[in-house]
Amino acid sequence: NAGVTQTPKFQVLKTGQSMTLQCAQDMNHEYMSWYRQDPGMGLRLIHYSVGAGITDQGEVPNGYNVSRSTTEDFPLRLLSAAPSQTSVYFCASSYSVADPPLHFGNGTRLTVT
Amino acid sequence: RKEVEQDPGPFNVPEGATVAFNCTYSNSASQSFFWYRQDCRKEPKLLMSVYSSGNEDGRFTAQLNRASQYISLLIRDSKLSDSATYLCVVNSPIYGGSQGNLIFGKGTKLSVKP
Repeated sequence: NAGVTQTPKFQVLKTGQSMTLQCAQDMNHEYMSWYRQDPGMGLRLIHYSVGAGITDQGEVPNGYNVSRSTTEDFPLRLLSAAPSQTSVYFCASSYSVADPPLHFGNGTRLTVT
Repeated sequence: RKEVEQDPGPFNVPEGATVAFNCTYSNSASQSFFWYRQDCRKEPKLLMSVYSSGNEDGRFTAQLNRASQYISLLIRDSKLSDSATYLCVVNSPIYGGSQGNLIFGKGTKLSVKP
């Protein structure tokens, strides 16, 4: 099993550009989520999904869109990148929120100039 | 008040020392509690779940006090390999969903020195 696969590992964007961070898991997990991690702020929840076709907002959803058309994939879209979105992004999955562990991808380091 | 608050650290301890981390959470409806470990520039990984009666895993002991909304992690006989950031994690219904979501503390950095 590959676990949770995130791509790309690194990305540099200019302000205003859009992009999609990919996340895929092969563990048949129903719950998937996206976090961003900034120095001094810890991990903050952006969006989450409890199953295919179901998504909802977390703590910091503005500027991001998600969709969940399949159980395996949960892409995160930056609509119009801003320097404030410079961060490390982690995708995570588990059978359910109450069923640990939450498996994380390796992270995407995004810089917006 | 933040959902999950931790000692900011850093904790710098010698090998063999015992070190304790504390964490408080604000939502009394929280039902699940965990400690995750994150190495530098890596993804977080589950260290241990925290149960109401307290639980131990080798050199690691976790305690939960629901009345005070307080979680602790004790590491005995610290090893160099224990150097990492320790994240207190609480399942909270703050963002909706029938099972809530995992809310992470900012983490406490531990450095174990020879």
